[in-house]
Amino acid sequence: DVKVTQSSRYLVKRTGEKVFLECVQDMDHENMFWYRQDPGLGLRLIYFSYDVKMKEKGDIPEGYSVSREKKERFSLILESASTNQTSMYLCASRITGGYTEAFFGQGTRLTVV
Amino acid sequence: QKEVEQNSGPLSVPEGAIASLNCTYSDRGSQSFFWYRQYSGKSPELIMFIYSNGDKEDGRFTAQLNKASQYVSLLIRDSQPSDSATYLCAVNVRDSSYKLIFGSGTRLLVRP
Repeated sequence: DVKVTQSSRYLVKRTGEKVFLECVQDMDHENMFWYRQDPGLGLRLIYFSYDVKMKEKGDIPEGYSVSREKKERFSLILESASTNQTSMYLCASRITGGYTEAFFGQGTRLTVV
Repeated sequence: QKEVEQNSGPLSVPEGAIASLNCTYSDRGSQSFFWYRQYSGKSPELIMFIYSNGDKEDGRFTAQLNKASQYVSLLIRDSQPSDSATYLCAVNVRDSSYKLIFGSGTRLLVRP
């Protein structure tokens, strides 16, 4: 059974804090993604990684960075959290290929106060 | 223009009816198309994918693809209250083999 696990289901952080969101997959997938989901806006791609130490910006990378030191783990970093980063964050992984599905983690609801 | 567009809804249908969900995309070279279902507070889960023009059926679900019109749809036959959810259309963009772009989703309500 495939599994993508996000480290926290709910997080509350203060403005200006450095925040780490962790994601681990056990499917040996090359590709991992971080999306944020806001009402009416759907899933917006923040960053993705297609290999260890490789990353590319998605549509909304500002204010975020990522780290992928091991194939199974992909971390999203909010360098200095702001209230407009309050959102649901979803991690996904996918094997390389245009006809394969992405598997999602359970999501992290981040609130920045 | 957004890359993947969906009507946000809500689309309200009575139990037993056919629900029709639509999605348009901007990149004519897009290769494959996915429909995900997302219940409130949960993660998206795959329902179907399609990559050839025409229809693809899986139980009560039918995906339809028209590449000339850049249009993909999902039909849900015999809709059930348990089908009430947000349905997300996702497109595999041409410039890579792994990046999925999602629409904003259509909320479906099935009335008992």
